[in-house]
Amino acid sequence: AQRVTQPEKLLSVFKGAPVELKCNYSYSGSPELFWYVQYSRQRLQLLLRHISRESIKGFTADLNKGETSFHLKKPFAQEEDSAMYYCALRGSGNTPLVFGKGTRLSVIA
Amino acid sequence: GAVVSQHPSRVICKSGTSVKIECRSLDFQATTMFWYRQFPKQSLMLMATSNEGSKATYEQGVEKDKFLINHASLTLSTLTVTSAHPEDSSFYICSASREGAQGYTFGSGTRLTVV
Repeated sequence: AQRVTQPEKLLSVFKGAPVELKCNYSYSGSPELFWYVQYSRQRLQLLLRHISRESIKGFTADLNKGETSFHLKKPFAQEEDSAMYYCALRGSGNTPLVFGKGTRLSVIA
Repeated sequence: GAVVSQHPSRVICKSGTSVKIECRSLDFQATTMFWYRQFPKQSLMLMATSNEGSKATYEQGVEKDKFLINHASLTLSTLTVTSAHPEDSSFYICSASREGAQGYTFGSGTRLTVV
């Protein structure tokens, strides 16, 4: 079964501090992993995906198949990073995303 | 970039009435659209997958006769909540994908309140 686990509902950090949002997944094959972000009163937006291995807004995430993790990291948090972050998984083909429960990141000035 | 328009953004209806929610892909053809439901402080739960020109595939526990999905064209999918009850009050979000694309584009969501 496909499952995405985000153990933290809320994560509060001070501005300038490092951030790590945890995501673990369960999938029998080779999944695609995504991070989506939802700012206040806005729609879900793709933040990054493991295939592209890019850094968006200073965030990075590395797929660790051994630990089945896809943690989201940023070395220095900014106030505008405050949002809801969802880790998501997709299996093969044009299949739907399976979402974690989300982590609300609050960056304190 | 890919844009998905969802309408209405907010609707209040009386118990027993039906509500239609539209999801349009504005600048691309969406071969597949997904409908999600999100309860307060919870994650997005997939309700159904709709492919253009064919019947929707519903997730376990989702009543297909209550949540009617129509995907008649490559740019429009509709979700109709029939005989709405207060427990149907939720945030409904559509998502669209296009052939060969990575990731999905989400609509802005519809807040349904049944009174």
